Amino acid sequence: QSVLTQPPSASGTPGQGVTISCSGSSSNIGSNSVNWYKQLPGAAPKLLIHSNYQRPSGVPDRFSGSNSGTSASLAISGLQSEDEADYYCAVWDDSLNGPVFGAGTKVTVL
Amino acid sequence: EVQLVESGGGLVQPGRSLRLSCTASGFSFGDYAVSWFRQAPGKGLDWVGLITSKTYGGTTQYVASVKGRFTISRDDSKSFAYLQMNSLRTEDTAVYFCTRGFNGASWTGASWGQGTLVTVSS
Repeated sequence: QSVLTQPPSASGTPGQGVTISCSGSSSNIGSNSVNWYKQLPGAAPKLLIHSNYQRPSGVPDRFSGSNSGTSASLAISGLQSEDEADYYCAVWDDSLNGPVFGAGTKVTVL
Repeated sequence: EVQLVESGGGLVQPGRSLRLSCTASGFSFGDYAVSWFRQAPGKGLDWVGLITSKTYGGTTQYVASVKGRFTISRDDSKSFAYLQMNSLRTEDTAVYFCTRGFNGASWTGASWGQGTLVTVSS
């Protein structure tokens, strides 16, 4: 059972938007910044968002991160076929003294 | 271009040892922390541990489930990081990823290798 809670799946049609939630606690999201990773089938994960909302170079601005209290969200606007992947949130947990992940959300483009 | 390449994975019996290597190129390896992550077949991502840069003391941290069994080390002169895995268990079966942080102490997987599969089975 993951420390962070994500919905197992999300979907939308091309051009639509989807939002993925990540729920944690005061020892993780409530006190540290959140990262989001994208993983295509059979590939290594790729950093999508760091420090709650910062996009690494090359990540389209269709991807945005936010957080409030002990929850974080990843929003994808203008869905494209290449957005079909698994998305993971991750954050340092002060109680466990290490980073923890959500179980991942599979995004399907219908 | 930042590149990380893992090697050393394979099939190993429970209780035995295995050492994974991670070779880096395209950046000043010694300036960055290295984290190892793993992903069991069909499962999500888990952090294994990290080693900071020498500037931050070259210290290591591990997830509780591998503490005392796994050891991370680095050879900055060769741009290599290692994950020594002892007393392997079936639940250690996973693809292991080597990653580079944002700085000498960062756990964030800013760049990832392609991963190497470790299968622990008799």
